[in-house]
Amino acid sequence: AQSVTQPDIHITVSEGASLELRCNYSYGATPYLFWYVQSPGQGLQLLLKYFSGDTLVQGIKGFEAEFKRSQSSFNLRKPSVHWSDAAEYFCAVGAATDSWGKLQFGAGTQVVVTP
Amino acid sequence: DAMVIQNPRYQVTQFGKPVTLSCSQTLNHNVMYWYQQKSSQAPKLLFHYYDKDFNNEADTPDNFQSRRPNTSFCFLDIRSPGLGDTAMYLCATSRVNTGVSNQPQHFGDGTRLSIL
Repeated sequence: AQSVTQPDIHITVSEGASLELRCNYSYGATPYLFWYVQSPGQGLQLLLKYFSGDTLVQGIKGFEAEFKRSQSSFNLRKPSVHWSDAAEYFCAVGAATDSWGKLQFGAGTQVVVTP
Repeated sequence: DAMVIQNPRYQVTQFGKPVTLSCSQTLNHNVMYWYQQKSSQAPKLLFHYYDKDFNNEADTPDNFQSRRPNTSFCFLDIRSPGLGDTAMYLCATSRVNTGVSNQPQHFGDGTRLSIL
């Protein structure tokens, strides 16, 4: 059975500090990997995606993520956070063999940015 | 800009009173999804349409129904809402081609539904 784990429910980081959010997946098929961000009361916005090729992917808002097949991980990073980065972050996994593009979401990580 | 639009943004309804949420898209995507998201939880897929083909998740309550009259619009109907249906409802779209399902989903801003 497929699953997505975000081990950190809540992270507090100082403005200007670096941020890393963890995501581990368990998937039998070739995974497609996504990170979404959700601000309070809003929908989910796509930050970045990984399908194949270079395992370090760049996204919007200065985020990047690295796919490590050996560790079944797809961690999200940002070198220097801004107060506007405070939000909920969801890792999601899709299967290349899924005909309908369905995604499995992790439980999310709430990021709080302090001055 | 092409987008996914959900109406209304906020909906308050009484216990047991039918409610309909709407979603429209200008992306011309062939797949539309409805998710339920409760506070501090991940979105939970209720069902989706692949073109006109409806696909229900196994654990979606019978109380929840959906209609897709055309490519651009999709509706979520809750026939007799209960208190436990208070949640954010998210609509998403994607373009899925035969054998290729690697496109991301694009989300609307959601409808926050409160059942009183």
